[in-house]
This record gives sequence, C-alpha cells and structure tokens, in this order.
Amino acid sequence: DIAVTQSPDSLAVSLGERATISCKSSQSILYRANNKNYLGWYQQKPGQPPKLLIYWASTRESGVPDRFSGSGSGTDFTLTISSLQAEDVAVYYCQQYYSTPYTFGQGTKLEIK
Amino acid sequence: QLQLQQSGPGLVKPSETLSLTCSVSDDSSSRSTYYWGWVRQPPGKGLEWIGSIYYSGNTYYNPSLKSRVTISVDTSKRHFSLNLTSVTAADTAVYYCARHRLLTGFLVGLDYWGQGTLVTVSS
Repeated sequence: DIAVTQSPDSLAVSLGERATISCKSSQSILYRANNKNYLGWYQQKPGQPPKLLIYWASTRESGVPDRFSGSGSGTDFTLTISSLQAEDVAVYYCQQYYSTPYTFGQGTKLEIK
Repeated sequence: QLQLQQSGPGLVKPSETLSLTCSVSDDSSSRSTYYWGWVRQPPGKGLEWIGSIYYSGNTYYNPSLKSRVTISVDTSKRHFSLNLTSVTAADTAVYYCARHRLLTGFLVGLDYWGQGTLVTVSS
C-alpha cells in the first residue's frame, strides 16, 4: 500500500494570509502514461462530504476559486491557499489514486488565527 | 447537476450485513467515463476508501475489507450498492458513495459525493 502523510495536523492562519499544507507519498505516484501525478486534494466542512479541489496534483476542479493551487511531483506535494478566507475553514485531505487501495492522508484542520 | 442519493439503514446489529445503495440521477452509471466508489469515515476520524466498480462490473476493493465487501452496479436502475458482511463496532462510520471521473481515459479524483449515511453497529 502507498502511505500518504500530511503535515501539519492542524494549522491556524490569519485572514488574507497564505496557508500551506504538505502531503507526502511513500512512493512515486507519477503515472508515466500521461505524465500526471495521481493525487487529489479535498476540502471537508463539518457535516458535509468532501469536495474535490485539485486533481492530478495541480489541476483545479471547475468552480474552485483560484486562490487554491496545488503543486509538486513524484512523492512531495503542496496545497496552497494564497489568501485565506473565512469560508476556507475546513479539514483538507490529500488522496493518492495511483494504485489500490487508494489512500488518504490523515487530514489537516485549518482554522483562523 | 449530478446527484448521488444514498439509502439504507442507519443501524445494523453486530455480525449482520450492512447494505447501502447509491442512486445516480442521470445515466452516467452506464458510461465508460466513470468509476463508482464507496468511502467511509469513522466519527471524528479520517477517510478510508472501501472500493470501486466500473460500469462493466470490474471491482477493486481495499484488501483490509476485501473478504467482507461486495460492490455491485445496476446500470438499468441507475444505482450501485455496497454490502459489508459480519460487521462489528469498528465498522461504525459515515459511509459515502462517490463518482470517480475518467478524463481522456485517465483517473481523476472523486468529483461527486453522496450526502453520507451514518451507520451505527450496535445491538
């Protein structure tokens, strides 16, 4: 199984400031056939299902604000929120779907400082 | 806007079978551009992928649950289902169905989710 580890577990950022979450996989999740990293980022608010923000590590899902961006390749990835808004308070998960079992990181709780 | 509507009991007795169904609002369950999956989340904890199924019926299960899980799809009825046998308290969780999109034949993330069903295993 590919292990996925996020850091930090929790993060407090001031409104308008940058938030950065890291995600590391235990092996490369770069799919050579299409040169894409099989990593997604999700946002989950209390009482709601997760929402896909980013796929292929850096492609923003339709309708997701452009303050959300993803980067990285191979085993190291980052989700950045460029200017934190109040509505961004949530738990964020990364997921690898390179090989089964598809595994999620443990989650990062993002709060307002 | 696609909708995934989950149905099934919220309480299951230990050793019995958990059964949930996810109804798809359009005919995408019969298309080759999607997989359909189940994910669960114990109260206050993180997400665990249970398994996925392709419209053709090919299935992929989490080895940690494989001996107890069956996922099936009925494209004519536009729904897919989860059966988890011999449940224990450790299976208490919110269960989500979700769509796994393919783009140009390659997997994308889980782009649509059901509302979630809290299933409690208790006598």
